[in-house]
Amino acid sequence: SQTIHQWPATLVQPVGSPLSLECTVEGTSNPNLYWYRQAAGRGLQLLFYSVGIGQISSEVPQNLSASRPQDRQFILSSKKLLLSDSGFYLCAWSVYPTGELFFGEGSRLTVL
Amino acid sequence: GQQLNQSPQSMFIQEGEDVSMNCTSSSIFNTWLWYKQEPGEGPVLLIALYKAGELTSNGRLTAQFGITRKDSFLNISASIPSDVGIYFCAGQNSGNTPLVFGKGTRLSVIA
Repeated sequence: SQTIHQWPATLVQPVGSPLSLECTVEGTSNPNLYWYRQAAGRGLQLLFYSVGIGQISSEVPQNLSASRPQDRQFILSSKKLLLSDSGFYLCAWSVYPTGELFFGEGSRLTVL
Repeated sequence: GQQLNQSPQSMFIQEGEDVSMNCTSSSIFNTWLWYKQEPGEGPVLLIALYKAGELTSNGRLTAQFGITRKDSFLNISASIPSDVGIYFCAGQNSGNTPLVFGKGTRLSVIA
């Protein structure tokens, strides 16, 4: 069966520090991969998605970036965090042609 | 971009009551999905709908894909405390385009 795992689960970082969140999917090939952010009590904001290795689509201009170095690995990064980057980050995967999206456990980032 | 209007924004109900929430769109979707998110966790897929008019159940949950392809509803019958959470609707046009999410309905169940 397919599983998705993201880490770290919780992160507290100072303003201006770098960020790296990782996500891996097991049990499927060539998944579509996604990064979402959720502010406290709010909806899901799509940040990046990827339909293949090295293919990244950005939905919202910001100081975050994403990379897909391997088929089932998706990384969210920042060189310098802002206070506004705080939130709950969710990785997700789907397989064409179904639209069903499966989410990871989430990573809670607090920028101080 | 496309937007989904999800209502109500929040609900407070007594245990045992039935719940209904819906999503509407100004444009057509080919797929509708409903998710539930509990505090501190990722959303979990509840029901997926692929055909206009389709009515699908998952235990006490029932969802329908509107005949116009522009709306969907989710009903929960005989609510229980563990139904508490945020419910999201989502729509998709085609298999490789990202889902469009509603802003969620926060459900609170009073025992």
